[in-house]
Amino acid sequence: QVQLVESGGGVVQPGRSLRLSCAASGFTFTSYAVHWVRQAPGKGLEWVAVISDDGRTKFYADSVKGRFTISRDNSKNTVYLQMNSLSTEDTALYYCARAQPYSSFDYWGQGTLVTVSS
Amino acid sequence: DIQLTQSPSFLSASVGDRVTITCRASQGISSSLAWYLQKPGKAPKLLIYTASTLQSGVPSRFSGSGSGTEFTLTISSLQPEDFATYYCQQLYSYPRTFGGGTKVEIK
Repeated sequence: QVQLVESGGGVVQPGRSLRLSCAASGFTFTSYAVHWVRQAPGKGLEWVAVISDDGRTKFYADSVKGRFTISRDNSKNTVYLQMNSLSTEDTALYYCARAQPYSSFDYWGQGTLVTVSS
Repeated sequence: DIQLTQSPSFLSASVGDRVTITCRASQGISSSLAWYLQKPGKAPKLLIYTASTLQSGVPSRFSGSGSGTEFTLTISSLQPEDFATYYCQQLYSYPRTFGGGTKVEIK
């Protein structure tokens, strides 16, 4: 069955970095784009970034552009989100999701919590 | 960026009620809209894609309609497991924006 498992979250001080991972299984990983979506405590969903199936195309939300970098290792079926210059506004539960082209995010992981605090 | 406005943001209803949630896009997005349900502490779950296509395994009491800028999610007879927060999302362009959410609570 399709599974996405996020890891790498934790508590980090403002200005520091963190790298999240999204390990995929149960489907042909190289056929799908993968997105990151975050949810601040008690708030709605915010799209963060996407990487295409071949890793060549990436898009970012304005709120993270220049600070976050999305990448993937198709040999490990894993997508990464490198987060630099973190601020308290980045505190959220971070989900990765598999994308069906122009139609939906059909599978989501359980999320990994990032807390930015001094 | 395309803005999505959901209404209402909060809805109180009873089991068996017919419920309708609206999502309005700031510009035309054809049928590139999805609906998700999220329960507390859980990841969002896909209900509807391309505005009106029911995701496999989702009960038929859920339906979606609309195109362009106006979309609706309808639950024909609300069940206890449907009390949750619902989000719309546009997949027409980047950034992939979400609506603000509609929380459906028990009356």
